[in-house]
Amino acid sequence: NAGVTQTPKFQVLKTGQSMTLQCAQDMNHEYMSWYRQDPGMGLRLIHYSVGAGITDQGEVPNGYNVSRSTTEDFPLRLLSAAPSQTSVYFCASSYSSGQGAGEQFFGPGTRLTVL
Amino acid sequence: SQQGEEDPQALSIQEGENATMNCSYKTSINNLQWYRQNSGRGLVHLILIRSNEREKHSGRLRVTLDTSKKSSSLLITASRAADTASYFCATVKTSYDKVIFGPGTSLSVIP
Repeated sequence: NAGVTQTPKFQVLKTGQSMTLQCAQDMNHEYMSWYRQDPGMGLRLIHYSVGAGITDQGEVPNGYNVSRSTTEDFPLRLLSAAPSQTSVYFCASSYSSGQGAGEQFFGPGTRLTVL
Repeated sequence: SQQGEEDPQALSIQEGENATMNCSYKTSINNLQWYRQNSGRGLVHLILIRSNEREKHSGRLRVTLDTSKKSSSLLITASRAADTASYFCATVKTSYDKVIFGPGTSLSVIP
């Protein structure tokens, strides 16, 4: 079991460039989500998904797109990178049931710098 | 706006002492979760407590939930230097809803 994997680990972009952060899990989890964490701060939810074909916005969705075509994968697309998007990005997954999303399993994170 | 807010923002204690962190939230919840994050690393799940539960234990960790006060506390007993980390609470409001994290408490355990 690889758990939750994220690629790349590090990325430097120039303002205006676009890119996709990859996230995959092999635990058959229904719930997947993307967070960003700025220095000394907590995690802010960008987008989440409760199952394949279903996505919804979190707290800070502007400038980001997601899709969920399979249970395993949940890529995050930066449409036109801005310096304000410099952050560490975490992907997470969990079971989701009538009792709510469960224990979140986190990936190792992607450190993104936008110049 | 964030659903959960931890208190205090920072806590410094001596090794062997107990550490208590609190989490308050605004609306009714389905469950509340506590996580630890060591510097520069990902988050690790500690305990999940459901809205119909009042207390849960895991090793040196004790979590309580008071739904009438919309608050939870995390107690770490006999703290160790290795407990130095940031601790976050996260709330789930309803079934099939998102998981929202609070800003966290930074705990320093001095040897």
